[in-house]
Amino acid sequence: DSGVTQTPKHLITATGQRVTLRCSPRSGDLSVYWYQQSLDQGLQFLIQYYNGEERAKGNILERFSAQQFPDLHSELNLSSLELGDSALYFCASSDLRGGQETQYFGPGTRLLVL
Amino acid sequence: GQQVMQIPQYQHVQEGEDFTTYCNSSTTLSNIQWYKQRPGGHPVFLIQLVKSGEVKKQKRLTFQFGEAKKNSSLHITATQTTDVGTYFCAVRNTGGFKTIFGAGTRLFVKA
Repeated sequence: DSGVTQTPKHLITATGQRVTLRCSPRSGDLSVYWYQQSLDQGLQFLIQYYNGEERAKGNILERFSAQQFPDLHSELNLSSLELGDSALYFCASSDLRGGQETQYFGPGTRLLVL
Repeated sequence: GQQVMQIPQYQHVQEGEDFTTYCNSSTTLSNIQWYKQRPGGHPVFLIQLVKSGEVKKQKRLTFQFGEAKKNSSLHITATQTTDVGTYFCAVRNTGGFKTIFGAGTRLFVKA
């Protein structure tokens, strides 16, 4: 158990719909990362937040948005869903100790768009 | 943008055989991390390499960082069925905060 929690574990929805994925980082971690993992695409970095502020953006679609709240939990919003958005979405939080940043991944949310 | 190539994509070994996966970058890296993802699981941090030519060991796993800090390898000696999974390397984009993962090497171990 990494200490990072993600809800829900599974999500089945239809094309055109909107969903919200939730992530609670490890206690004390200020950074939250979101990743998308598809069968043929590996781990794709979407976005990172640090203490409530967006820090880095990866290949995140305009239909997707995220935020990090004052209590440091984060939400990833996916709208106008398409079949190709079906994937495993991971959240990770990180700490910085001794100059080394380690990312701790949550169990993921498996999204299926029908 | 920053890219890292990881090979091979898949590797099938007999239990007891050795296994190696490689990551290569066209640019000099500040550091490189390795993660393992078991089937149905999430990536788990294994190690970080920072220094040129660095070699670190974790039991049967040996991690190396190239002298030019452009490549790295993970070697598993005498694989066991518990080693199955996908091994990823991860780097930071130059001067930024983006984390870029290699495509991963999926290891299959036959008992």
